[in-house]
Amino acid sequence: QSALTQPRSVSGSPGQSVTISCTGTSSDVGAYNSVSWYQQHAGRAPKFMIYDVSKRPSGVPDRFSGSKSGNTASLTISGLQAEDEADYYCCSYAGGLYVFGTGTKVTVL
Amino acid sequence: QVQLQESGPGLVKPSETLSLTCAVSGDSISSSNWWSWVRQPPGEGLEWIGETYHSGTSNYNASLKSRVTISVDKSKNQFSLRLTSVTAADTAVYFCARTHCDSTSCFYIDYWGQGTLITVSS
Repeated sequence: QSALTQPRSVSGSPGQSVTISCTGTSSDVGAYNSVSWYQQHAGRAPKFMIYDVSKRPSGVPDRFSGSKSGNTASLTISGLQAEDEADYYCCSYAGGLYVFGTGTKVTVL
Repeated sequence: QVQLQESGPGLVKPSETLSLTCAVSGDSISSSNWWSWVRQPPGEGLEWIGETYHSGTSNYNASLKSRVTISVDKSKNQFSLRLTSVTAADTAVYFCARTHCDSTSCFYIDYWGQGTLITVSS
C-alpha cells in the first residue's frame, strides 16, 4: 500500500484560505468515507482535526473543513492564523489497514 | 480524558528486537476501540504499523508484517509492540494511539501518546 500523495508545502497570508489535497486510489480514499486529518507541530504528537472526511471533533475550530471527490480528499483552512503553521497529514482506512499521506507543511507568511 | 504513555528502551542494537509498551488510562483496553502503533522516522512522515483488538485480532502493515507483533494485556490495561530484526531504518519516533470505533463511526485515530524516540545503533 503506497502512501497517499499530498503537496510538499502550501502557504498563505493570515486571513487567507489554503487547501491541501490528498490523493489515493480506489482501494483507499475512493473506497471508504473514512478519511481523517492530523495537525502536527514540530516535536509534538499529531492532533486529530477531521474524521469521516468532513466531521470535526469538538474543540477544532470551524475554520478547518474537509471534503472528498473520487480518490482525492481535501482539507481547507479558512481564515489562516499563525498557529495553523504546522505539518498536516491525511489518513485513509483501506480495508483492515490504514495509509497515511506524505504530509504537507503549511506556512503562514 | 484518555491518555496513552509509551515506555521502552531508547536504544536497540541492530538485529535485536524492539519492544514497547503503551499504558492506557481513561478507557478500557477491552472497549470497542482498537489500539495502534504509528512511527515517524526523523524528518519524515507518519507510517501506520498496525493495530490490535482486545479479542486478540491484529492487523499489520504489509511491509512490516513478517517482523511485527502487537498484543494486549488486559490485566494491566496496556498493549505492546514487538519488532524483530531491527535495522537503522527502524529508527523513528514510535507513537501508540487509540483507533476509535463505536456504533456511529470507526476508523480514525482520536488519541495519541506523546511518542518515544527509538534509535537502532550498535
